[in-house]
Amino acid sequence: DTEVTQTPKHLVMGMTNKKSLKCEQHMGHRAMYWYKQKAKKPPELMFVYSYEKLSINESVPSRFSPECPNSSLLNLHLHALQPEDSALYLCASSRTTGTSGGLREQYFGPGTRLTVT
Amino acid sequence: AQKITQTQPGMFVQEKEAVTLDCTYDTSDPSYGLFWYKQPSSGEMIFLIYQGSYDQQNATEGRYSLNFQKARKSANLVISASQLGDSAMYFCAMRDLMDSNYQLIWGAGTKLIIKP
Repeated sequence: DTEVTQTPKHLVMGMTNKKSLKCEQHMGHRAMYWYKQKAKKPPELMFVYSYEKLSINESVPSRFSPECPNSSLLNLHLHALQPEDSALYLCASSRTTGTSGGLREQYFGPGTRLTVT
Repeated sequence: AQKITQTQPGMFVQEKEAVTLDCTYDTSDPSYGLFWYKQPSSGEMIFLIYQGSYDQQNATEGRYSLNFQKARKSANLVISASQLGDSAMYFCAMRDLMDSNYQLIWGAGTKLIIKP
């Protein structure tokens, strides 16, 4: 089973709202990722969690706040977003971020299409 | 710096024909991995195939094969007997052991449309 699930599939929120995106995997992977993808562009890495610890924050604005409650779950808390934050948000996981495991594939969820009004 | 180049923004191919999607890469690290992903209009990024820099043989997964030419730094994806369901965006990506951020470096993508 190589399934990563994400909820919700679609989200429309105002600039003053607080919402959360959720991601779950049961493959025993110890690395989880958040990406932002604009239309017709490749994904941009936002955050990486390795063994439930934040290992990479790619200079993402503080209005995006990641959380990894356990090895299977990854959340992205959203607050005071801007219209330019509208995008597809993809979650991914891989066995590890380490050397040999780091060369292995990432498995992606179906994404959350976020629209900020 | 690592870089992935996909020179074909879009391709139209007749159903049942074979397709080659081009990908060239640039890295100074001898240890790296190359990946191809498919992204249908639904949005999900689907892993297709992986090639390690030290792998002696070209990777194959069903109808997908990776034409790995290390000296030319080329990792083209070949899809045999194309189907309508192959219509999607295809991304080539690389992970480099020298990059302590463990990031995937992505190409710009190729939009493939299969014609009936």
